[in-house]
Amino acid sequence: DTAVSQTPKYLVTQMGNDKSIKCEQNLGHDTMYWYKQDSKKFLKIMFSYNNKELIINETVPNRFSPKSPDKAHLNLHINSLELGDSAVYFCASSFRSNYGYTFGSGTRLTVV
Amino acid sequence: KNEVEQSPQNLTAQEGEFITINCSYSVGISALHWLQQHPGGGIVSLFMLSSGKKKHGRLIATINIQEKHSSLHITASHPRDSAVYICAVSPSTDKLIFGTGTRLQVFP
Repeated sequence: DTAVSQTPKYLVTQMGNDKSIKCEQNLGHDTMYWYKQDSKKFLKIMFSYNNKELIINETVPNRFSPKSPDKAHLNLHINSLELGDSAVYFCASSFRSNYGYTFGSGTRLTVV
Repeated sequence: KNEVEQSPQNLTAQEGEFITINCSYSVGISALHWLQQHPGGGIVSLFMLSSGKKKHGRLIATINIQEKHSSLHITASHPRDSAVYICAVSPSTDKLIFGTGTRLQVFP
């Protein structure tokens, strides 16, 4: 299936741990994104990458480090997790020359 | 104040009713998106607009660039339309700015 796939779907972890979320798209898109949806369901951009190059880092704490090994993958590593990091994280992709987005199904992160 | 405002925040309707959700934005944009998020959480892109009007099935989206306003209409609403509808704008190709969403519940 052509899609944006994220793993894991659910992640429960303790404060202070380090965790990663993976995202892969097989749509041939050249731009990938991480969005965060908070407890009030509000979505906000975190990062965008175009052809493995960081384009946007939207005042996200340094504990969050995205990595794009190739244009089909964009992973998100989070160090020293805090309670406030609990949210749903969505990966998305698009062509930079076009505005059509495809979203992953989200990763619900719960920090306890 | 958020750069993208939606109204209403919550909407309930009886099956068959005509529904309108409004979106106003305060930034220059290249495109506007309507997204749907079901209770299961996944986000689906419904429309991308830069001018005029688009129709897909029972859904119609319009945009007025001069007034910085867009509407999403659902004709003959159905309980399966129950979801959160999110307006988002692209000031550039590099990101989306989202509205706070409209939670729609359609009752049989």
